Amino acid sequence: NAGVTQTPKFRILKIGQSMTLQCTQDMNHNYMYWYRQDPGMGLKLIYYSVGAGITDKGEVPNGYNVSRSTTEDFPLRLELAAPSQTSVYFCASRTGDYGYTFGSGTRLTVV
Amino acid sequence: GQNIDQPTEMTATEGAIVQINCTYQTSGFNGLFWYQQHAGEAPTFLSYNVLDGLEEKGRFSSFLSRSKGYSYLLLKELQMKDSASYLCAVIKAAGNKLTFGGGTRVLVKP
Repeated sequence: NAGVTQTPKFRILKIGQSMTLQCTQDMNHNYMYWYRQDPGMGLKLIYYSVGAGITDKGEVPNGYNVSRSTTEDFPLRLELAAPSQTSVYFCASRTGDYGYTFGSGTRLTVV
Repeated sequence: GQNIDQPTEMTATEGAIVQINCTYQTSGFNGLFWYQQHAGEAPTFLSYNVLDGLEEKGRFSSFLSRSKGYSYLLLKELQMKDSASYLCAVIKAAGNKLTFGGGTRVLVKP
């Protein structure tokens, strides 16, 4: 089992560019989540999904979109990158038992 | 909404004990997690409390009082490798969403 895999690990974007952060899990987890973490802060929920075809907004969804066409994949899309989106992005999954499994993160800088 | 408060930073000496407090206000409480996060890495699971009381796991213990909206994480026999951020997070039944506090950065000094 690879767990939760995120790509890319690092990315620099110019203002106004778009990109997709990839997240894949091989544990057959229903619940998947995207968080962002600004320097020295806790994690804030962007979007989450309780199963294939179902997504919902978290605390800070503006500027992002998600889709969940399969159980394994939960990509996060940034359409018009802004400096405020400079952050570390973590994808996570959960079966419904306790404990989230986090990916290793994507460090994004928007310049 | 939810408020989760924990101190920003704590310093302790190697071999000592440190207690990290977390207070929360939430409806539909379904459990509290503690995660450890080393700089530049993903959070890793430490403990989960859903009932009142103390859960002990080696050098780490976590306590919960649901009536007081209070938890603490106790780190004993501190080691240099325990220098990290410790994140308190509350889960609500609806949607199984974890909401995190701002994290407490613990610095262990020799």
